[in-house]
Amino acid sequence: DIQMTQSPSSLSASVGDRVTITCRASQDIFTYLSWYQQKPGKAPKLLIYAASRLQDEVPSRFSGSGSGTDFTLTISSFQPADSATYFCQHTYNTARITFGQGTRLEIK
Amino acid sequence: QVQLQESGPGLVKPSETLSLTCSVSGGSISNYCWNWIRQPAGKRLEWIGRICATGSTNYNPSLESRLTLSLDTSGKQFSLKLTSLTAADTAMYYCAKSVVPAAPFDTWGQGTRVAVSS
Repeated sequence: DIQMTQSPSSLSASVGDRVTITCRASQDIFTYLSWYQQKPGKAPKLLIYAASRLQDEVPSRFSGSGSGTDFTLTISSFQPADSATYFCQHTYNTARITFGQGTRLEIK
Repeated sequence: QVQLQESGPGLVKPSETLSLTCSVSGGSISNYCWNWIRQPAGKRLEWIGRICATGSTNYNPSLESRLTLSLDTSGKQFSLKLTSLTAADTAMYYCAKSVVPAAPFDTWGQGTRVAVSS
């Protein structure tokens, strides 16, 4: 299995802060990497796919970068509505899709 | 726009079989792949498996011996059967759509909670 490891596990940010979350794959996954946002009691929501492509209707303050094994999700200016848990996911091996353990982002 | 809605029993006894259904509305069931994902409380998401409109399936190897996915195109729903349940199967279960197997999960159901307990 391809292991997906996120860091940090949790962080807090003030409104307007630039926030960066990283995801590392245990092997090369090219750009088969997606990011999801999950709020308590809700289903995950797709934010970024193909490592850097913004899903429709997702605010432009969200961006993704990376390829190979190292990836980054960036929020350029943190807003209270961005408080959530963020997961990365690879779809490189379509017979064994795995997710990162999640990064909990809270407002400071 | 496609919408998904899971339905299931909520509580299942150990050793019994879990049956869940995901109903598809607002779009065709015939053009995409349909995934199941679960999330134990406080833990990471676990992909369970996928069935595509072509009929092809992929199962998580850790569940494959207990898992069956099926697709009912006329009824616009797809289903999961998981046998020999244990407490470790207690989780929130989600269904989700992907355009092709390597695509992200762009649409999710709201989830249905399953508890395995006697």
